[in-house]
Amino acid sequence: AQSVAQPEDQVNVAEGNPLTVKCTYSVSGNPYLFWYVQYPNRGLQFLLKYITGDNLVKGSYGFEAEFNKSQTSFHLKKPSALVSDSALYFCAVRGDSGAGSYQLTFGKGTKLSVIP
Amino acid sequence: EPEVTQTPSHQVTQMGQEVILRCVPISNHLYFYWYRQILGQKVEFLVSFYNNEISEKSEIFDDQFSVERPDGSNFTLKIRSTKLEDSAMYFCASTWTGTGTSRSRRETQYFGPGTRLLVL
Repeated sequence: AQSVAQPEDQVNVAEGNPLTVKCTYSVSGNPYLFWYVQYPNRGLQFLLKYITGDNLVKGSYGFEAEFNKSQTSFHLKKPSALVSDSALYFCAVRGDSGAGSYQLTFGKGTKLSVIP
Repeated sequence: EPEVTQTPSHQVTQMGQEVILRCVPISNHLYFYWYRQILGQKVEFLVSFYNNEISEKSEIFDDQFSVERPDGSNFTLKIRSTKLEDSAMYFCASTWTGTGTSRSRRETQYFGPGTRLLVL
């Protein structure tokens, strides 16, 4: 079974400071890892993903994430936070378990608040 | 950029009534999904659909749920007899997973804006 842990319910950061939203995962086989963002009363917007290759993945809106296989982590980062980054962030995983299994397993989400 | 669309955005229904949630996936996508998010909880997988049949489903997706692709564009989720605990945000997603494009692009599930279902 695959699972995702986002250990922080909420992360507060001052505008302009770097931010990190943590994610660890458990999956059979090689992981496919994703970050999605959800603004209030909106759907899930894709931010970035790791499939293979370079461990540092760059995505939308200046976000990046680092895949660490030994620590089974995929933390989301941004060098300088904006107030508009305030939202709910979800980490998701699926394994490369072969044909047919594409379901994503999501973490419970981390609410990011960027303080002006 | 193409988007997944969902209708209605909100639906209120009485317990025991049937509801149909509609989705229009991105036009060249081949795999379709339904997920739900109960208020304050994580997003949960319900079902995936490929080549006009269910490819996998979760324990949540019991006999009261069904999915259908009635034409070339729509993908629907039907709940036959709604329960209070069905109140949630329901998200449709789609992905390409075909050949002829980058593997990276094939793997991304694109989500619609959701339908908020309230069962009274």
